[in-house]
Amino acid sequence: EIVLTQSPGTLSLSPGERATLSCRASQSVSSSYLAWYQQKPGQAPRLLIYGASSRATGIPDRFSGSGSGTDFTLTISRLEPEDFAVYYCQQYGSSSWTFGQGTKVEIK
Amino acid sequence: EVQLVESGGGLVQPGRSLRLSCAASGFTFDDYAMHWVRQAPGKGLEWVSGISWNSGSIGYADSVKGRFTISRDNAKNSLYLQMNSLRAEDTALYYCAKDMGSSWRSSPGFDYWGQGTLVTVSS
Repeated sequence: EIVLTQSPGTLSLSPGERATLSCRASQSVSSSYLAWYQQKPGQAPRLLIYGASSRATGIPDRFSGSGSGTDFTLTISRLEPEDFAVYYCQQYGSSSWTFGQGTKVEIK
Repeated sequence: EVQLVESGGGLVQPGRSLRLSCAASGFTFDDYAMHWVRQAPGKGLEWVSGISWNSGSIGYADSVKGRFTISRDNAKNSLYLQMNSLRAEDTALYYCAKDMGSSWRSSPGFDYWGQGTLVTVSS
């Protein structure tokens, strides 16, 4: 099973700042099958990025994804108040889907 | 508007069974693969199982293999999860999720999620 490790565990930032979230895989994964989700308390996850860098429908362009191989990044260019949440990366490989443990973006 | 509504959760004793359902609407159900994903209280997301558009291909996480069975009824726009031999560690909120493609494997991601149904396994 491919393990995804997200860092940092918690990111404390102010609105308007840039957020950079990392997702590292234990072995190389296909960029086509790397996604990012946002989850707010009491809500279901929401797809932000698929195929490592494509924004899902309705996702603002302040969200962007990049990376390949074992290292992937989600960047939020300027944090809005509604962006404070937990973010998960996800990948398909070895006949299984796995998620990272999540990065919490909190208000500083 | 895409809607996924899970049901069937509840309190169940260890070793017993439970069947979850997910009613889908707002899209052509039999064009897409579907998944179950769970989240233990205060924890992260764990993929449980996936099924292709025509039930021809199915996958399970190692943690549930041999105990859980996923199925779908395209005529009823419904997804199911039969959970047997339940354990305390199966306690979680279970989400139904729509795949972006027709195969449960090798797809871009899960673009719609239900609100979940809570399963609590305890004596």
